[in-house]
Amino acid sequence: AQSVTQLDSHVSVSEGTPVLLRCNYSSSYSPSLFWYVQHPNKGLQLLLKYTSAATLVKGINGFEAEFKKSETSFHLTKPSAHMSDAAEYFCVVSDMRNNDMRFGAGTRLTVKP
Amino acid sequence: DVKVTQSSRYLVKRTGEKVFLECVQDMDHENMFWYRQDPGLGLRLIYFSYDVKMKEKGDIPEGYSVSREKKERFSLILESASTNQTSMYLCASSPSRLAGSGDTQYFGPGTRLTVL
Repeated sequence: AQSVTQLDSHVSVSEGTPVLLRCNYSSSYSPSLFWYVQHPNKGLQLLLKYTSAATLVKGINGFEAEFKKSETSFHLTKPSAHMSDAAEYFCVVSDMRNNDMRFGAGTRLTVKP
Repeated sequence: DVKVTQSSRYLVKRTGEKVFLECVQDMDHENMFWYRQDPGLGLRLIYFSYDVKMKEKGDIPEGYSVSREKKERFSLILESASTNQTSMYLCASSPSRLAGSGDTQYFGPGTRLTVL
């Protein structure tokens, strides 16, 4: 069975400083990995996804994530936080072989002025 | 533009009532999903459907049923609502029939259900 762990339930940064949201996964096969963002009272929106191509994936709004198989990690980063980045972020692992998708518990990002 | 709509943003029901949550997608997607979202638990899959009249149980199907009579519409039914079903319910769709295909899922805005 596969699983995903988001290592921080809440991250707080100042505007203009880097963002790091951590995600570790467990999968017995080559997984697809996603980051979704959810702004208050909205549905989830795809930020980026990895599907066995380039290990460094660029997404929308300046976010990127690096797939590291040896560390089973898929951490989300952004060089400079903006107030509009305040939201909840979900890491997702997907395994086509067993037709399964798993969501992490979420990380709430707060951006201070 | 891709669009998934849900029939209500907020819903208040009483214990024991039968509750219908409707979801419609306009992208001709094969797969549709119902999740519930609770703080600290992320999203948990209730049911999904990869074709009309087909359904598969997710992780937490107890107390719920679903219906997919048309490709674009997927309904979640709470046969007899209970207070522990108070939650945010999210509908999603994806192009492929495989839930783990690597497809992007497109989400609706959610329905916040309160059961009194």
